[in-house]
Amino acid sequence: QSGLTQPPSVSGAPGQRVTISCSGASSNIGAPYGVNWYQQLPGTAPTLLIYATTNRPSGVPARFSASRSGTSASLVITGLQAEDEADYYCQSYDNSLGWVFGGGTKLTVL
Amino acid sequence: QVQLQESGPGLVKPSETLSLTCTVSGGSINSHYWSWIRQPPGKGLEWIGYMSHSGKTDRNPSLKSRATILVDTSKSQFSLMLNSVTAADTAVYYCARHYGDHSGDYYQDSWGQGTLVTVSS
Repeated sequence: QSGLTQPPSVSGAPGQRVTISCSGASSNIGAPYGVNWYQQLPGTAPTLLIYATTNRPSGVPARFSASRSGTSASLVITGLQAEDEADYYCQSYDNSLGWVFGGGTKLTVL
Repeated sequence: QVQLQESGPGLVKPSETLSLTCTVSGGSINSHYWSWIRQPPGKGLEWIGYMSHSGKTDRNPSLKSRATILVDTSKSQFSLMLNSVTAADTAVYYCARHYGDHSGDYYQDSWGQGTLVTVSS
């Protein structure tokens, strides 16, 4: 079972701001272990979007940002674009389960 | 830029052993950790485990008894063996580099394209 909980889906219109939540526990996000986020475009492998809770790899637009508060983390996308339509996964380390992913959130750009 | 490529049979019979290989190019396998992650059709990601070139390993507790990961530095490859497979093991299997940075943070920064393995008689 997944130690991290994400909403199954979110949506927004182009140009809007959307937030994807990732709820964990004191054994993972709240430990605190770092949180990573991955973007999976349709039919492709996941790619690293955010690492160590708040850091963007080179090449990832500044429209993507992330944060942590207690046992939860959030990914924020501002200035939503059609190309952002994808599945998003959070990830962290859990003391009992090892590396865990959230169940994934499908972002629909309206 | 490190690149990874999975290879192996696309069809495995129930109760048999699934065997996959990941070939690493453009970077050294003698650093960081090397992971396997899978994704059942239409579902989310599941971490299987990882191993370093020095033999340090960790695996998902739910798969630990069935999964073996090995690293072959001479071939710049690492492999996954999953025994006693059932239909529930049908998934796209990804290999990835489990990168450890200077701050002690870890993340999968490079992924293979994935390979679909179907368990069926």
